[in-house]
Amino acid sequence: AQTVTQSQPEMSVQEAETVTLSCTYDTSESDYYLFWYKQPPSRQMILVIRQEAYKQQNATENRFSVNFQKAAKSFSLKISDSQLGDAAMYFCACQPAGGTSYGKLTFGQGTILTVHP
Amino acid sequence: NAGVTQTPKFRILKIGQSMTLQCTQDMNHNYMYWYRQDPGMGLKLIYYSVGAGITDKGEVPNGYNVSRSTTEDFPLRLELAAPSQTSVYFCASTPGRGNEKLFFGSGTQLSVL
Repeated sequence: AQTVTQSQPEMSVQEAETVTLSCTYDTSESDYYLFWYKQPPSRQMILVIRQEAYKQQNATENRFSVNFQKAAKSFSLKISDSQLGDAAMYFCACQPAGGTSYGKLTFGQGTILTVHP
Repeated sequence: NAGVTQTPKFRILKIGQSMTLQCTQDMNHNYMYWYRQDPGMGLKLIYYSVGAGITDKGEVPNGYNVSRSTTEDFPLRLELAAPSQTSVYFCASTPGRGNEKLFFGSGTQLSVL
């Protein structure tokens, strides 16, 4: 069983500034994947970034990067140079790496990010 | 490529009514999923399928049924709708390789009154 906890229901940031969204997880799996998904008001689910737990190097995608602390079971998302289009609900999610577990994600409760101009 | 297509986008049901949420994908993905998202919450897995003819329960399957007769289609059936089933329903698919992302549909907003 897995649990994912996002302790920040809401966050706000000024345009062009940096913001970090927190996520902690718990899993009994020895190997797993971690994801951040973005859900704008359109409701569409958009993958922001993903991390393979066996990789020590933190994933980076343009302005988005993660701080993956495996021992602490922490997976935070840093958004640099925030843009108005970054305003959305952000979900952290965890998935076991086994073949029967593809796509079976456990999601956190979400963090609403507001970007102020 | 249309991706994952869900219909309808919105629906209001009365308590006790039944309906089928349609989902189709044109990416030849073997793996398909139904998630529900309650207001202000994360998504929870209802049912999933690893290929035509194979389905299995997720975390919250009660009150739902699914079938998978083709690779493309994965309909979700609600029998005897209840207010607790008011939610946004997402269908998703993936090729089924490791950390491949999920391809989501645009969701169906269902209200049971």
